[in-house]
Amino acid sequence: QSALTQPASVSGSPGQSITISCTGTSSDVGSYNLVSWYQHHPGKAPKLLIYAVTNRPSGVSDRFSGSKSGNTASLTISGLQAEDEAHYYCSSYTTSRTQVFGGGTKLTVL
Amino acid sequence: EVQLVESGGGLVQPGGSLTLSCAGSGFTFTRDWMSWVRQAPGKGLEWVANIKQDGSEKYYVDSVKGRFTISRDNAKNSLYLQMNSLRGEDTAVYYCATDGVPAGLNNWGQGTLVTVSS
Repeated sequence: QSALTQPASVSGSPGQSITISCTGTSSDVGSYNLVSWYQHHPGKAPKLLIYAVTNRPSGVSDRFSGSKSGNTASLTISGLQAEDEAHYYCSSYTTSRTQVFGGGTKLTVL
Repeated sequence: EVQLVESGGGLVQPGGSLTLSCAGSGFTFTRDWMSWVRQAPGKGLEWVANIKQDGSEKYYVDSVKGRFTISRDNAKNSLYLQMNSLRGEDTAVYYCATDGVPAGLNNWGQGTLVTVSS
């Protein structure tokens, strides 16, 4: 149950697009299309942005999109805004019926 | 509006026990799996355990197997996490969340802090 691998930090200017990668194994990311992405502002509850690789819950901006290729999933945020500055986590269901998060990525909006 | 409210956190000595509770409202509690997720100070999120709607299936991260027990009381719309043999590395904010398997953890509480220290 090793954590999924994410870059520790990414940055971008307002209006730009950024992509956060999430690399797992054939026992998690590569096995199912069950990757989720969460946004977490310090001191607040995490928020689900993407589920099942590409799906957005109702109310989530279409500036957030997800994709997957093999053992690596990605979250793209387009049209960066100041309020997007937060930590982002990927998560995947595993072949052991558990779930595993990535280490998290801190997004800085310059 | 979906609400999840955790309680029961606090300071406990190493080797001690604590039970966390999570009260749900604003949704049909029996609809969803439920999960516990924690965040240690300065660290990322870690999934801890989840439980099926009727309690018949439970899964745990390896680091808590044999020490933590997840349970639920659907009549009380409540989720629990019994934590025994607590260690310093269990110090964290513990969140409960609705688990829309396979649709992700779609609603979260505000968390409750557990500190394991002598």
